[in-house]
Amino acid sequence: AQSVTQLDSHVSVSEGTPVLLRCNYSSSYSPSLFWYVQHPNKGLQLLLKYTSAATLVKGINGFEAEFKKSETSFHLTKPSAHMSDAAEYFCVVSEGLFGFGNEKLTFGTGTRLTIIP
Amino acid sequence: DTEVTQTPKHLVMGMTNKKSLKCEQHMGHRAMYWYKQKAKKPPELMFVYSYEKLSINESVPSRFSPECPNSSLLNLHLHALQPEDSALYLCASSQDRAGGTEEETQYFGPGTRLLVL
Repeated sequence: AQSVTQLDSHVSVSEGTPVLLRCNYSSSYSPSLFWYVQHPNKGLQLLLKYTSAATLVKGINGFEAEFKKSETSFHLTKPSAHMSDAAEYFCVVSEGLFGFGNEKLTFGTGTRLTIIP
Repeated sequence: DTEVTQTPKHLVMGMTNKKSLKCEQHMGHRAMYWYKQKAKKPPELMFVYSYEKLSINESVPSRFSPECPNSSLLNLHLHALQPEDSALYLCASSQDRAGGTEEETQYFGPGTRLLVL
């Protein structure tokens, strides 16, 4: 079974400082991992994804994440926060077991990112 | 183009009404999904269609009835809803079902915000 833990429900950073949103996962198989962002009253936008290629994944808007199998982590980072980054961020895992009904994504509980001017 | 469209954006309905939510994608994706998202919570999977056939129903009450008329369209028919069904309803699509490849990445629409009075 797969699961995701987002270690912080709320993160506040000042504009221009680094962002770190933490995510740990549990999976019985080689997982695919995703970060999605949701701005207020909007749908989910894919930020980046890991699907067993390079362990350092670059996404949109300057975000990146590193897949660390030994630590079962997939933390999201950005060198310099911008006001427009304020949103809810979801870490998501998929075990990708074709034919086993595992079309399901398992979502973390979300991290709300606040940017301080 | 990774666009999934949903109509309407907002919907208010009474408990005796019948209404439908519509989702459309023109990316050639063969898997489509309905999610329900309550405030400050991650999305919860409701239904999965794969190649126009219902493959997953997450024990959703029968007052929600999905329909996939063709590979580009997904509807959610609503009847006799309860106030607790008020939520953001998200549609998503992916190129194929889960398989540990790029094809499983789900792309979300902007959602329909439903209020049941």
